[in-house]
Amino acid sequence: EVQLLDSGGGLVKPGGSLRLSCTASGFAFSGYALSWVRQAPGKGLEWVSSISGPGDDTHYADSLRGRFTISRDNSKKTLYLQMNSLTVEDAAMYFCAIGFCSPALCFPFDHWGRGTRVTVSS
Amino acid sequence: EIVMTQSPATLSVSPGERATLSCRASQSISANLAWYQQKPGQAPRLLIFGASTRATGIPARFRGSGSGTEFSLTINSLQSEDFAVYYCQQYINGPPVFGGGTKVEIK
Repeated sequence: EVQLLDSGGGLVKPGGSLRLSCTASGFAFSGYALSWVRQAPGKGLEWVSSISGPGDDTHYADSLRGRFTISRDNSKKTLYLQMNSLTVEDAAMYFCAIGFCSPALCFPFDHWGRGTRVTVSS
Repeated sequence: EIVMTQSPATLSVSPGERATLSCRASQSISANLAWYQQKPGQAPRLLIFGASTRATGIPARFRGSGSGTEFSLTINSLQSEDFAVYYCQQYINGPPVFGGGTKVEIK
């Protein structure tokens, strides 16, 4: 059974940093592209970032302005999202998902983690 | 960036009835459309991809149709577990954009 376990969320002050993790099981991790999708409280879904299976191809939403970095450790079957210079607009539930999107090629998100909540407040 | 518009925002339906949800893309996305179901406090779940192909384990009462810019999701004989928010998403190219969602509520 495919399982994605998101973790690392919490309360952070504006301007602070946080690293999210997503630990996977039940599938051949290194062979699958992964993504982060977020959902602000009471709002819809917003794609954040995608990374290829080997980890050498990454893509980000323009709105992030270079503040976030996606990475993965295939030996640990873990996906990461390093988030810097956080603002109140970044407060959301962050979901990892199996799926990928680049400017030229996209696939749907066919399995999702349960999410980890990020709260940004002073 | 492609804009995805869903209607209606809220749909009130009685159990056992049919619900039809609409999704419109601002430009042609061929059949590169997915539908997701999200229940309160849960992650989204993929229902439909390729506009009309059900994902693994999705009941046959969920039917997707359309191509180009106009799409629909029909849920036949609504069950209690089907009351949720439904999102469409284009994946013809990046960035992948979701619609604003349709909440299907009990009438």
